[in-house]
Amino acid sequence: EAGVAQSPRYKIIEKRQSVAFWCNPISGHATLYWYQQILGQGPKLLIQFQNNGVVDDSQLPKDRFSAERLKGVDSTLKIQPAKLEDSAVYLCASSLIGPRYGYTFGSGTRLTVV
Amino acid sequence: AQSVTQLDSQVPVFEEAPVELRCNYSSSVSVYLFWYVQYPNQGLQLLLKYLSGSTLVKGINGFEAEFNKSQTSFHLRKPSVHISDTAEYFCAVSDNTDKLIFGTGTRLQVFP
Repeated sequence: EAGVAQSPRYKIIEKRQSVAFWCNPISGHATLYWYQQILGQGPKLLIQFQNNGVVDDSQLPKDRFSAERLKGVDSTLKIQPAKLEDSAVYLCASSLIGPRYGYTFGSGTRLTVV
Repeated sequence: AQSVTQLDSQVPVFEEAPVELRCNYSSSVSVYLFWYVQYPNQGLQLLLKYLSGSTLVKGINGFEAEFNKSQTSFHLRKPSVHISDTAEYFCAVSDNTDKLIFGTGTRLQVFP
């Protein structure tokens, strides 16, 4: 089966600009996650979707970050305006339903804010 | 709330030596436990997972981990490491909320 697709692979922007990341999960996977991984740290969950509804966005900085999952399939994560501390790898993952079925991660988008 | 502690940020080891990467978790409910490996500039790859049953779990690349409920630990072991095992290793926990929470990672550096 095809894996979790993410684009772009790399992005460099100036602070205060906006940026968007795209994720296409594995077909049929109901749950989709966005993680932020700052260099030298473990991935931090930003938002969790179940189909097209938000399950948990308690860690999402809502003043600048937004995410949507249209029709319960693809998802986009947006940052507007970006700050220097947003420099990180943004990982998308999907799961059939729950941990018993495992989580599959994409290769991530590396964002550098200068 | 769940949390994961990886006590060792870096573990240096010589090739063919055994290694143990430590992981402790905190959760008030039944948990599922995972170890992921991340090679440079790559995504996360599942090494192994504990869902239920036998507390000794075998994974890919010769790794295994033991779930110890009384000590709330899930340490990762390999009897003989290779240069190619050099990578970042993450322990993670999930419960019935389906959220996957990661530790801060352990950098395994294997020297010839």
